[in-house]
Amino acid sequence: GNSVTQMEGPVTLSEEAFLTINCTYTATGYPSLFWYVQYPGEGLQLLLKATKADDKGSNKGFEATYRKETTSFHLEKGSVQVSDSAVYFCALNEYSGGGADGLTFGKGTHLIIQP
Amino acid sequence: EAGVVQSPRYKIIEKKQPVAFWCNPISGHNTLYWYRQNLGQGPELLIRYENEEAVDDSQLPKDRFSAERLKGVDSTLKIQPAELGDSAVYLCASSFRTGVGGELFFGEGSRLTVL
Repeated sequence: GNSVTQMEGPVTLSEEAFLTINCTYTATGYPSLFWYVQYPGEGLQLLLKATKADDKGSNKGFEATYRKETTSFHLEKGSVQVSDSAVYFCALNEYSGGGADGLTFGKGTHLIIQP
Repeated sequence: EAGVVQSPRYKIIEKKQPVAFWCNPISGHNTLYWYRQNLGQGPELLIRYENEEAVDDSQLPKDRFSAERLKGVDSTLKIQPAELGDSAVYLCASSFRTGVGGELFFGEGSRLTVL
């Protein structure tokens, strides 16, 4: 079956530091890959996505590249802000022809940015 | 445009009591998902609907959980009777039936505490 493994947190960084959150996956086919973010007191929202190998998703200064050879989709940001403090979830979705299957999530990484 | 609406936001019940959660998806979204998120974990899919048909309910504990989406719009998830281990956040999500890379939109969730 499909699975997603991401680095455990909490990850604590100082403002303006470089961020990497590792994510690797196992899938039977050719999944689409996503990063979702959950800010305190809010619902999950899509941060970025990539649908095929070597695609780069980007949004709000965050980037992730779909690496099929290493089955990875690491999240990066060059300079984090206090407002980036949240829980980040890596996820995958396979399209079975009958519609998009439900997302398979990692356990989440709690990111804490200190001023 | 209104997002995915869930109610109630919070529910506290004693074990063996019934509980129900309601979800209204984004207008026009024909696919609806129910997820359960345990503390410190990623969301796990319980059931997926395409219109009014449950196309994937393999992870739904059918002895005590039930769900319906009678008119292919809003949906109800019920637990009867609730157990201590059912304490979690129940998330509803919706998407427009699409191909690769389709985005899921999540509600804020219903937090259940079973005493």
